[in-house]
Amino acid sequence: GAVVSQHPSRVICKSGTSVKIECRSLDFQATTMFWYRQFPKQSLMLMATSNEGSKATYEQGVEKDKFLINHASLTLSTLTVTSAHPEDSSFYICSARASDRAWGNQPQHFGDGTRLSIL
Amino acid sequence: KQEVTQIPAALSVPEGENLVLNCSFTDSAIYNLQWFRQDPGKGLTSLLLIQSSQREQTSGRLNASLDKSSGRSTLYIAASQPGDSATYLCAPATGKLIFGQGTTLQVKP
Repeated sequence: GAVVSQHPSRVICKSGTSVKIECRSLDFQATTMFWYRQFPKQSLMLMATSNEGSKATYEQGVEKDKFLINHASLTLSTLTVTSAHPEDSSFYICSARASDRAWGNQPQHFGDGTRLSIL
Repeated sequence: KQEVTQIPAALSVPEGENLVLNCSFTDSAIYNLQWFRQDPGKGLTSLLLIQSSQREQTSGRLNASLDKSSGRSTLYIAASQPGDSATYLCAPATGKLIFGQGTTLQVKP
């Protein structure tokens, strides 16, 4: 089955640090990847849609300069939280959808998430 | 803007019961709808995907139905087991998935 690997699984760092999270599709190519954020006991909130070779599309209220997304290949997207502060602490999850013209038939496959804690 | 509601928010049942989780959504112009399972502190596991042209999908003890015109989907779990304890999320897809708040299920031995 389709596997999405997300790394690291957990990060603890000081305020002001920039943190990079990687999302890889291991056994399929993904034109589109998605980044979500989840607060405790809440559902997933879509942050941005990442398209290979083009700029990411951010949801309303998400700061693009704060959350930098790069999707340089069909198997890798990265999310960089720049100058992270305690309020950025959260669970970040990526997903990937296989490249297919009939993309509406394709499920999204999710990584295991990254728990980010900013001290 | 798509809004997704899941009822009930939490459910506790004894092992062996059959149960139904409900999902409603406001924008019926969807391509498909996925049901996911999330264990505490973990990512999401895809359970079922129903295409917009389909009425239901089955996988083992799970059966999901879709009534696109009325904006409803249900997930039926047969003969529940303690290992089914998790949060279940539905997500209708337009160009992107929008998630409900989930139903947290506890199956007691």
